Amino acid sequence: DQQVKQNSPSLSVQEGRISILNCDYTNSMFDYFLWYKKYPAEGPTFLISISSIKDKNEDGRFTVFLNKSAKHLSLHIVPSQPGDSAVYFCAASGETSGSRLTFGEGTQLTVNP
Amino acid sequence: GAGVSQSPSNKVTEKGKDVELRCDPISGHTALYWYRQSLGQGLEFLIYFQGNSAPDKSGLPSDRFSAERTGGSVSTLTIQRTQQEDSAVYLCASRSVNSGNTIYFGEGSWLTVV
Repeated sequence: DQQVKQNSPSLSVQEGRISILNCDYTNSMFDYFLWYKKYPAEGPTFLISISSIKDKNEDGRFTVFLNKSAKHLSLHIVPSQPGDSAVYFCAASGETSGSRLTFGEGTQLTVNP
Repeated sequence: GAGVSQSPSNKVTEKGKDVELRCDPISGHTALYWYRQSLGQGLEFLIYFQGNSAPDKSGLPSDRFSAERTGGSVSTLTIQRTQQEDSAVYLCASRSVNSGNTIYFGEGSWLTVV
């Protein structure tokens, strides 16, 4: 039962353009969402989060959008840089999952110079 | 230390042997998690410790897997009679009461069972 899904295993964009990474969830009890970035041979690092009381959270080049009715969130990176090339995981948590984060499968982003 | 520390960083073991993986969380973090990532897969929850509460073991894949957390700090994940499908990177993470639901990961322990 995959409660958090990232349907695109990979995404390739040109430097300077926008990267849009998508994530869908099925559990309506999730109320907190996060994005993590992972470089090869390193642990995931926290990037940005959003609570379900908001529909947008922005931090520099990174913006997360949440559409609760569609159970969909997305991460926008503008402008994309080659150093952004990594695997991006979305994660969700809620009252029924305690403080456990449920992760998606990840999307490999490649930003080409 | 400043971050979550895991050891060993790499471990190659023979099938059937037991392995122990260690995690030293961020100082003061009361919650500790173990996840694993198999090749080409997402992050799979294994176990969660919070303070003195009983751990959430619901993610452990079999009874060959166990974990303990001594003194509310360091945790050890033990895999008995390792199998090739146990090969993965085992990630430890910790969280403080002040960081909401954000957890902070270590670099991981890469386990290869041959």
